[in-house]
Amino acid sequence: GEDVEQSLFLSVREGDSSVINCTYTDSSSTYLYWYKQEPGAGLQLLTYIFSNMDMKQDQRLTVLLNKKDKHLSLRIADTQTGDSAIYFCAERPRDDKIIFGKGTRLHILP
Amino acid sequence: KAGVTQTPRYLIKTRGQQVTLSCSPISGHRSVSWYQQTPGQGLQFLFEYFSETQRNKGNFPGRFSGRQFSNSRSEMNVSTLELGDSALYLCASSGGDTGPETQYFGPGTRLLVL
Repeated sequence: GEDVEQSLFLSVREGDSSVINCTYTDSSSTYLYWYKQEPGAGLQLLTYIFSNMDMKQDQRLTVLLNKKDKHLSLRIADTQTGDSAIYFCAERPRDDKIIFGKGTRLHILP
Repeated sequence: KAGVTQTPRYLIKTRGQQVTLSCSPISGHRSVSWYQQTPGQGLQFLFEYFSETQRNKGNFPGRFSGRQFSNSRSEMNVSTLELGDSALYLCASSGGDTGPETQYFGPGTRLLVL
């Protein structure tokens, strides 16, 4: 069935790296995404990776994709208080409907 | 370039009423998708429109409907509102020079049904 799984909470100290993990189910997914949602706001596209890649880096963000295990991760280097938000993993199978996980709430400790 | 806009931002209705939400996509985007976000169910796909045609539909009852106009603006309608329809309704657009693979979201319309 269609399901994107991610842990609900993550606490990280300011300055450390945050790693948010996600597993997806559809091996036909062509694109995998990470979105960020701050309180009271819509979703902001952070980054995405095409399924034929295994890594993508964009400034403080690193996305790793393990297609064999259907595992996606988002690493945020040097985590700041402004990174506090809910992070959604999403997959886009061939039928084009984007399927979202329930989101990981990232809490930054001082 | 202006982002995706949604109106109204907040809405309070009572059970049995109907509601219409509006979404204006990023200029040049022809695809508009709608999602319902609730604490319990997370983000659930409602439907997608492209060039005034519904291209994809999620698993929602027929009370939820939508349409897209020739200028790509989209509306969604919920009839006979139920308490469980209280949610944040998000619209996303894609296409044009940003490519079909990336969706850009609006701020959402928060609907409260009493």
